[in-house]
Formats: sequence, structure tokens, C-alpha cells
Amino acid sequence: QVQLVESGGGVVQPGRSLRLSCAASGFTFSSYGMHWVRQAPGKGLDWVAVISYDGSNKNYADSVKGRFTISRDNSNNTLYLQMDSLRAEDTAIYYCARERLYSSGWGIDSWGQGTLVTVS
Amino acid sequence: DIQMTQSPSSLSASVGDTVTITCRASQGVRNYLAWFQQKPGKAPKSLIYGVSNLQTGVPSRFSGSGSGTDFTLTISGLQPEDFATYFCHQYSYFPHTFGQGTKLEIK
Repeated sequence: QVQLVESGGGVVQPGRSLRLSCAASGFTFSSYGMHWVRQAPGKGLDWVAVISYDGSNKNYADSVKGRFTISRDNSNNTLYLQMDSLRAEDTAIYYCARERLYSSGWGIDSWGQGTLVTVS
Repeated sequence: DIQMTQSPSSLSASVGDTVTITCRASQGVRNYLAWFQQKPGKAPKSLIYGVSNLQTGVPSRFSGSGSGTDFTLTISGLQPEDFATYFCHQYSYFPHTFGQGTKLEIK
């Protein structure tokens, strides 16, 4: 079955960097686009970034553009989020999510359990 | 950015009721509209993609409809496990955006 496992979260000082990982298993990772979505404590969902199946296309939320970089290693079935110049407002649970293509369209179908990033 | 506005923000209902949650986009999002369910302390769960297509394994009491800027999620015959927070999500344009959420509570 599809499994997405995030890691790399923790407590970091403002201005510092952190790299999150999302280990994928149970499906052909290299065939799927992947997203990062975050959720600040007690708040709603906030889309962060997306990367195409082959890594050739990436898009970011305005709030993280220029500071965060999404990437992937298809040989190791891993998605990454490099977070630089972290701010207090980046404090959140970070989820990776898979984007699936159906005959009738596409959409996010699977989520990891999340990893907590605290900037303080 | 496209703003997604859900209503109501919270809703109380009883087991067996039928409830409808509305999501309005600040501009048309074609049919790139999804719904997610989230329970406290858990990751979101995907329910619907493309306005009205159920994800694999989602019970048929969930349904989605709408077009353009106005969309609805309907749950027919609420079950105890349905009490959760629901989010709509537009993925028609970057940046993708979510509604603020609707908390469905037991009456």
C-alpha cells in the first residue's frame, strides 16, 4: 500500500535552515507528482510546493518562494524540502502528499503523517 | 491568488442527518476542486477530486457537486466517524489554495 513517511522536523532558530525528507514506498514513485502542504498549530491547510514526476517542473507558494526548494531523488524514492531563512511563521506540521492521475482527472490522493517544524 | 471561502465555519448535526458544506472560489477554478477530511491529530484524508469523483474507498454517502466558483460537499446519513473538519482545495491555478475549513460537530 502507499506509504509516505516524513522526517527531518525539529526546533530551529529563525534564519537557519532545515531539510525535510519524505520516504515513499508501495508505488512507483518516479511516476507521480508530489506536494508539500503545511498546517500551523490550530490552523488550516496551507499549500507549499509541488514537483512534477521527473523533477522538471516546480511551483511554490509566494510565502516560501526564494527560501524553500522542493526536489526529489527518484532512484531513492525520496522527496525533499530544503527550507532556508526560516521564520517564526513557518512553524507548522509539514505533510508530503502524492498527486494521482485518473482517467477522469487528477488530484492529491495520499498523505504522509507529517513532521513538525518549530522555528523559535 | 484564488481565495477559497467555506461556509459554514462550523456545523452541528446528528447521526443520520444530511449536511452540506459550501466552498466558493474568488474566480473560476474549472473542475479542479477537491475535498479533504481531517480528524484531530491526524493527517488529512482525501475524499473527492475533480469536483465529484470519490477517491478509492470513500463511502458513497459523500458526494460533491458544483462548477465554476461554487461547490458543495454533501454527506448523506452522517456516521459517527464523519465528525471532523473538512477542507476544500483548488488546484486549477498556482498557488494552490485551501478553504479555511468547516468543523462538523456532533449535536
